[in-house]
Amino acid sequence: EAQVTQNPRYLITVTGKKLTVTCSQNMNHEYMSWYRQDPGLGLRQIYYSMNVEVTDKGDVPEGYKVSRKEKRNFPLILESPSPNQTSLYFCASSWGNTGELFFGEGSRLTVL
Amino acid sequence: GQQLNQSPQSMFIQEGEDVSMNCTSSSIFNTWLWYKQDPGEGPVLLIALYKAGELTSNGRLTAQFGITRKDSFLNISASIPSDVGIYFCAVSYNNNDMRFGAGTRLTVKP
Repeated sequence: EAQVTQNPRYLITVTGKKLTVTCSQNMNHEYMSWYRQDPGLGLRQIYYSMNVEVTDKGDVPEGYKVSRKEKRNFPLILESPSPNQTSLYFCASSWGNTGELFFGEGSRLTVL
Repeated sequence: GQQLNQSPQSMFIQEGEDVSMNCTSSSIFNTWLWYKQDPGEGPVLLIALYKAGELTSNGRLTAQFGITRKDSFLNISASIPSDVGIYFCAVSYNNNDMRFGAGTRLTVKP
C-alpha cells in the first residue's frame, strides 16, 4: 500500500530536549516536505527536498533541521524544542514538484 | 510569504445543501489545488488545476481555476455527512514551495 509513515504520532517533551520525527515514503517520490498545522493558520511549509542531499527552507524553518540521505526518508529534527513548536506536523511527498502531495497521518508534538 | 485568502472560515450546512468556498491571492499562480482533511488524518488531494479557466469535476466536487490566475473556487453539491472536514486551497509557488490557505471547516448537519 502506498503510504507516508510518520513516527511518533504523539509526543510530549520538555523544552530543550532534542527530538526527531521520522518520515518514510514507499512510493519512490523525489519530492518530500514538512508542514506544521496551527489553528487559523492552515498548513505552513517548514522545509522541502527536491531529491537526495537537496533541501531548502520553506516558510517557517526557524528552529528546525532536516536531512535527506536516502530517497525514502526525510526526518525532521528539533535540536532544542521550545513551547512555540507545539503543533501538529505533517510530512508529505510527491512525484517531482507538481503539488499533488501525499500526506502522512500527522505527528502531534507538545513541548512543555 | 505569499498570502492565500480562503473563505469562508467555517460553514454549518444541512445535509443535501450545496457548498461553495473560494481562495484568492494578490499574486498569479500556475497551479491551484484543493485538499480535504478528515478529522485526525492528513490532507488528501481532491482536485488539481493547471490551466487558467479550467473547470474540473470529481464526483460531487467541482473546482475552477480563475481566469486571472489569482483565484479558485470549490463547490460541493448535495452535501452528505462524510463531507465534514477542513478544506484547504493550495498553490505551487515558485515550482518548489507550497502555500496553503487557512482552511474552511465544514460541518454538515444530518
